[in-house]
Amino acid sequence: DADVTQTPRNRITKTGKRIMLECSQTKGHDRMYWYRQDPGLGLQLIYYSFDVKDINKGEISDGYSVSRQAQAKFSLSLESAIPNQTALYFCATSDRLAGSSYNEQFFGPGTRLTVL
Amino acid sequence: QKEVEQNSGPLSVPEGAIASLNCTYSDRGSQSFFWYRQYSGKSPELIMFIYSNGDKEDGRFTAQLNKASQYVSLLIRDSQPSDSATYLCAVRRTDSWGKFQFGAGTQVVVTP
Repeated sequence: DADVTQTPRNRITKTGKRIMLECSQTKGHDRMYWYRQDPGLGLQLIYYSFDVKDINKGEISDGYSVSRQAQAKFSLSLESAIPNQTALYFCATSDRLAGSSYNEQFFGPGTRLTVL
Repeated sequence: QKEVEQNSGPLSVPEGAIASLNCTYSDRGSQSFFWYRQYSGKSPELIMFIYSNGDKEDGRFTAQLNKASQYVSLLIRDSQPSDSATYLCAVRRTDSWGKFQFGAGTQVVVTP
């Protein structure tokens, strides 16, 4: 079974609709992240959460909101979807290793979102 | 200026040759450096990380870090068609532990 899962894997929606993307993990990691990926732009951080009560905006949070329902669940919402939010969205997790220089991020399989 | 820059490619490499990928970063506070491989439509997967100046080897992959010049590179020896992918450079700053800054990626195409 996958350690980091995302639902749905593909979604087509219309402008103005509210959309929720969900992420669950069984890795036991404290830290969770949402990224979007556009061709030629790499991964851009939308929101990140270092624990259930600690949620922070990333580089491109406008138009998005998140909810950390539990250590293992982190949801991303688009309150009113617009076409330029069409992208590939990834959830990622990482462990909290105090004093360590190495904390790999593990990625989910991604959600391909198309906003018409 | 982007915080992490990579040549977008595509970098065409004959099978069996060495692929050389470069990444430069702007923040001198950067502490750890990661190379991820991403196949088309798939999620990134970690290949290597490095945080000390010098070389680090793992199988056919070698990461090189030069903090004074603010660049990190990845060498892929004996390139195989299965190495055809986009390679993402990621940088983590000391003062934002847990946050990564990603480059846009370099596409590598290994030709038989």
